[in-house]
Amino acid sequence: EVQLVESGGGLVQPGRSLRLSCTASGFTFDDYAMSWFRQAPGRGLEWVGFIRNQLYGGTAQLAPSVKGRFTISTDVSKTIAYLQMDSLKAEDTAVYYCSKAVGVYDLYFDYWGQGTLVTVSS
Amino acid sequence: DIQLTQSPSSLSASVRDRVTISCRASQSISSYLNWFQQKPGKAPKLLIYAATTLQSGVPSRFRGSGSGTEFTLTISSLQPEDFATYYCQQSYSTPYTFGQGTKLEIK
Repeated sequence: EVQLVESGGGLVQPGRSLRLSCTASGFTFDDYAMSWFRQAPGRGLEWVGFIRNQLYGGTAQLAPSVKGRFTISTDVSKTIAYLQMDSLKAEDTAVYYCSKAVGVYDLYFDYWGQGTLVTVSS
Repeated sequence: DIQLTQSPSSLSASVRDRVTISCRASQSISSYLNWFQQKPGKAPKLLIYAATTLQSGVPSRFRGSGSGTEFTLTISSLQPEDFATYYCQQSYSTPYTFGQGTKLEIK
């Protein structure tokens, strides 16, 4: 059974950093890309970024709204995907979801974690 | 960025009704369109990928159609568990984008 469990959310002050983790199980982690999404309170879904598997270079792409502040990485040995969030802003407040991604360039997202809430406030 | 516009934004319907939700892209996205269902406090659930392919385990009353710029999600006979918010999402080019959502409510 595929499982994705996010952790690391919480309350953080503007300008500070936070690292989210997504622990994966039930599938061969390095066969797939991993992606992050977020949803601000009462709002719609927003794609944050994804990271390809090692076969495709392990490269990441990020949304313009977070590029230069957020980075995505993976630890294949631990089957964890990370979202490092720096220089956080109030508008980054959201539930963050990780997802397993199928495909290479035309990805689709078949399994999602339960989400972790990040609140950026002083 | 590719914009996705869903219509309607909200919809009231009854059990056993047939409903249709539309998603229009600001430029051609071929068939790189996915549909999700989200219930309050829960993660999105993939229903349809590549415009027309039913995700494993999703009931056959859900059907996706379209290509290019016009797409449709049809639920053939609404069940109580189908009342939720539905989102379309394009994977044609980054940044990947979502429609604003369609909230399906019980009449």
